[in-house]
Order: sequence, then C-alpha cells, then structure tokens
Amino acid sequence: DQQVKQNSPSLSVQEGRISILNCDYTNSMFDYFLWYKKYPAEGPTFLISISSIKDKNEDGRFTVFLNKSAKHLSLHIVPSQPGDSAVYFCAASVRNAGGTSYGKLTFGQGTILTVHP
Amino acid sequence: KAGVTQTPRYLIKTRGQQVTLSCSPISGHRSVSWYQQTPGQGLQFLFEYFSETQRNKGNFPGRFSGRQFSNSRSEMNVSTLELGDSALYLCASSLRQGGNTGELFFGEGSRLTVL
Repeated sequence: DQQVKQNSPSLSVQEGRISILNCDYTNSMFDYFLWYKKYPAEGPTFLISISSIKDKNEDGRFTVFLNKSAKHLSLHIVPSQPGDSAVYFCAASVRNAGGTSYGKLTFGQGTILTVHP
Repeated sequence: KAGVTQTPRYLIKTRGQQVTLSCSPISGHRSVSWYQQTPGQGLQFLFEYFSETQRNKGNFPGRFSGRQFSNSRSEMNVSTLELGDSALYLCASSLRQGGNTGELFFGEGSRLTVL
C-alpha cells in the first residue's frame, strides 16, 4: 500500500520556465510534508517543508502548496535552472503523535526532473 | 559542520553472510534513522533511534536490527543476507526537538551488493 505517490516518473522543462512536481497521499494522519532532492551517488537533500496547518510555504525559488481536502501537494520551482536536474522525492510524516515520529518519513517513488538549457 | 558520515560506502557480500553498517550523525544530533533504497520499493523506513532507544520501526523482518551508542553513533546489522537485500542503505540524523522542522540530514549511503 503506497501511502505517498508521485505519479510522474519524469518531467522535462526548459531553463527559466516553471517546474511543477506533484505528490498525492492517502493517509489522512500525515500532518507534515517535505520535499527532498537527490543527485546520483548522494543522499537526499532537504529542500522545503510544510505543516498541515498551512497551504503554502515559500523559500526562494521553491514553493510548496498543500491541498488537504484533495490530499495533494505540489512543488513549484521558478525559474528552473539546469542545476535543478535531479530526482525529487515527496515525503510525509505524522508529527502530531506525541513527537514520536520525527525520523519516520514515508517517501514517494520520486520524479526525475530534467531542466534543459 | 561535518555532515552525516556512513561507512563503508560500498561492500559486496554473499548470501547467508551478515553485514554491519555504521553511521555518525551530525554533531549535536541525537536522532538517527535508517532507510533502504531499492529501484523497486523506493526509500523505505527501517528504524529510528533516539537516546540509545529504538523509537520507531518499519516493516522489515527481524534480520534487520540496529543500535545506537551513547555518542549517538549508530550501527545497523543485517543477518542471513538475501539477494533482495541489495540496496543503498541511507542514514539520516536530526535534532529531534519540539519545534524543529522535522528536517532529516542524510548521509551518502552504503551501497550493499549481495551475490
């Protein structure tokens, strides 16, 4: 049972345009969501997160939107740069369980983003 | 500030053997989590340790075990290796204090190949 799904295995975007990566989840207990970026032969790197009490969080070129009713979140990268080419993972956690789940993230399968110059 | 350090980076074992992987968290981080990454299953949570105690465990058989030492360093062990255990094993550390962002800092991983 895949509780976090990234239905697009890959996405190709032109430099300077917007990249939109999508993620759906099924577990309504999830209350904290994160995006990670991963280059080959490296561990995932944290990008941005959002709590379920918010619907938007912005950090520079990265914005994450959360639609709780649809159990959907998206990551927008504007403008996209060739250095953004990597695998992007959506992750979710249940943080409101007495703080017992900080280290337990449920990841999606990842989306390979390619930004062309 | 040094990042999360995992050793060894690469190793090859044969079926039936056991393996121990090591993780040194970022200085000051007391929580260590382990994940398995495979092409088919993606990133899956193995377990989390905090203050030398296992706090969470994923859906893996008992062949997978771990521990944490008083200096927060952690080891994970896989016994009776199977071909399907071939994977990238990732360690992550976090501050694990109320109010933090929940951000996990990952190491570069240990690539295990089982022949």
